[in-house]
Amino acid sequence: GAGVSQSPRYKVAKRGQDVALRCDPISGHVSLFWYQQALGQGPEFLTYFQNEAQLDKSGLPSDRFFAERPEGSVSTLKIQRTQQEDSAVYLCASSLVDSNQPQHFGDGTRLSIL
Amino acid sequence: DQQVKQNSPSLSVQEGRISILNCDYTNSMFDYFLWYKKYPAEGPTFLISISSIKDKNEDGRFTVFLNKSAKHLSLHIVPSQPGDSAVYFCAASGKLDNNDMRFGAGTRLTVKP
Repeated sequence: GAGVSQSPRYKVAKRGQDVALRCDPISGHVSLFWYQQALGQGPEFLTYFQNEAQLDKSGLPSDRFFAERPEGSVSTLKIQRTQQEDSAVYLCASSLVDSNQPQHFGDGTRLSIL
Repeated sequence: DQQVKQNSPSLSVQEGRISILNCDYTNSMFDYFLWYKKYPAEGPTFLISISSIKDKNEDGRFTVFLNKSAKHLSLHIVPSQPGDSAVYFCAASGKLDNNDMRFGAGTRLTVKP
């Protein structure tokens, strides 16, 4: 399809395991964003890429969270040694450029840590 | 810190009437504002946006109003339809923040037939 694609849609992991979440942005979109959405809340910014460069990672909650976009298209968000508070929906969004353009979201990955 | 606030968690209106969703922000550096609509188990879908140089933007049944002095924006839907029932998120961004968006907590709109 032409939209932002995220996989897996659902992920269940035991506390302490590592997880990797994938995002396929819209083709040609320069900017890519990761958000974390807790139940009943709006999405909260995690990190931002312009092509392959990670320009802002100020929203990552701890050094257990790591994101990459090595070739400027697909991005992976990795969470090491998962904790129960990491349970949330992780949303990826992309936009054509980085200035006053709407971001287009994928359907998210719902992560549950047992 | 909650830089974007939606103080009404829910709103219920009758089909055909106007829906007004409100949003307040605190950061005067925001210069671009958006409304997103979200259905269950789906990602937010872009609805309408407004730049800080404008005070109104209209797209069909949807109009967004921006009051910069009050740091307030609103989304008007008229006439409301049952298919408009969803959670609506207000979002704001600024060039100086690398365009990462700040979202409100959302307002659940229910349009009754």
